[in-house]
Amino acid sequence: GQQVMQIPQYQHVQEGEDFTTYCNSSTTLSNIQWYKQRPGGHPVFLIQLVKSGEVKKQKRLTFQFGEAKKNSSLHITATQTTDVGTYFCAGLSQGSSNTGKLIFGQGTTLQVKP
Amino acid sequence: GAVVSQHPSRVICKSGTSVKIECRSLDFQATTMFWYRQFPKQSLMLMATSNEGSKATYEQGVEKDKFLINHASLTLSTLTVTSAHPEDSSFYICSAGAYTEAFFGQGTRLTVV
Repeated sequence: GQQVMQIPQYQHVQEGEDFTTYCNSSTTLSNIQWYKQRPGGHPVFLIQLVKSGEVKKQKRLTFQFGEAKKNSSLHITATQTTDVGTYFCAGLSQGSSNTGKLIFGQGTTLQVKP
Repeated sequence: GAVVSQHPSRVICKSGTSVKIECRSLDFQATTMFWYRQFPKQSLMLMATSNEGSKATYEQGVEKDKFLINHASLTLSTLTVTSAHPEDSSFYICSAGAYTEAFFGQGTRLTVV
């Protein structure tokens, strides 16, 4: 079945350092979405990428969608302690575009040392 | 964005009893909702797709007789964990919408003692 692999599983950085998490899908995606989950909380939507090669920015966060629509990355510049949490990518496969079924990556947990 | 309300947020129950979790879309109608299970420090595992007015679609390995899903209206889906056992203890979370953005409920922390 469809799989979405996400690395690394954990990342500890010093405040001010950059952070990147990567996602790879076994199948071509209709879109990829990114979510952030704080400890004890529920996932909160960050962004959706749809087009091949798409790049979107939200302040210090940069999201990319690969040309083949099978991989994606999230890059945070100059991390802050408020960036702490687990970041999940979630892919909507082309075969599931009519069901809306998202497949989540394993998540990357970011710890930021002040 | 849209609001999905999940209740209860925490529940402790005895082994062998059943627990019902509600998921409501407050400001929109959801013909489809999704139920996930999340173990500590792990990802969200899709359990089933809840379809309004029809049977839920369960993912492979999920016991449909143990995790009963009912989606009787366009704003409410329920998940009932029947004859709960300690291994059913987990964080259960629902969502609605997914094509462009999924809206998650607050989650339910179930502890079976």
